[in-house]
Amino acid sequence: DGGITQSPKYLFRKEGQNVTLSCEQNLNHDAMYWYRQDPGQGLRLIYYSQIVNDFQKGDIAEGYSVSREKKESFPLTVTSAQKNPTAFYLCASNPREGGYTFGSGTRLTVV
Amino acid sequence: QQPVQSPQAVILREGEDAVINCSSSKALYSVHWYRQKHGEAPVFLMILLKGGEQKGHEKISASFNEKKQQSSLYLTASQLSYSGTYFCGTEERWGNTGKLIFGQGTTLQVKP
Repeated sequence: DGGITQSPKYLFRKEGQNVTLSCEQNLNHDAMYWYRQDPGQGLRLIYYSQIVNDFQKGDIAEGYSVSREKKESFPLTVTSAQKNPTAFYLCASNPREGGYTFGSGTRLTVV
Repeated sequence: QQPVQSPQAVILREGEDAVINCSSSKALYSVHWYRQKHGEAPVFLMILLKGGEQKGHEKISASFNEKKQQSSLYLTASQLSYSGTYFCGTEERWGNTGKLIFGQGTTLQVKP
């Protein structure tokens, strides 16, 4: 079955650490996205990519970085510059003019 | 700029109807609707492209007024399974590039 796989499901980060969240899709979608969701809040766009080797900043890109070396993969790194990283992170992809398919998410907690 | 959803929360009895509205100040290419259950990922419901169309299947439908940059989601004869948080996502597009910005969500609770 086609879909998006995010790993890990839960992640704990110490102060000053960089951590990388994995996102892999086998839907053959060109476009991929990273969103952050805080409790009781909507989804805020961190980064998005329409094609391999190209990506754009979303509304809250500070403290995050991404890469898009393969069509199937769009990993997100939460750097130590992100001062409040505790949140639910969702990766998504879509075909042109189609609905988004979301992964099951990664819950990141700072300890 | 984030679209504005209203109402923020709705409580219904099974079989009752609900309307959720989504409004943007920007010219939109499309509007998406998603439902999210607690602790889960959002699930795509439908997309409406500019053209003022109305879409839906059976008891869940939506409309998009591109002149007013407004969309509404209609849930009729609600079922317990409709409970969750509903998000609209508004898409601006330039060339082949587009991004979806989500509203703050509307929490729907359906009671027996």
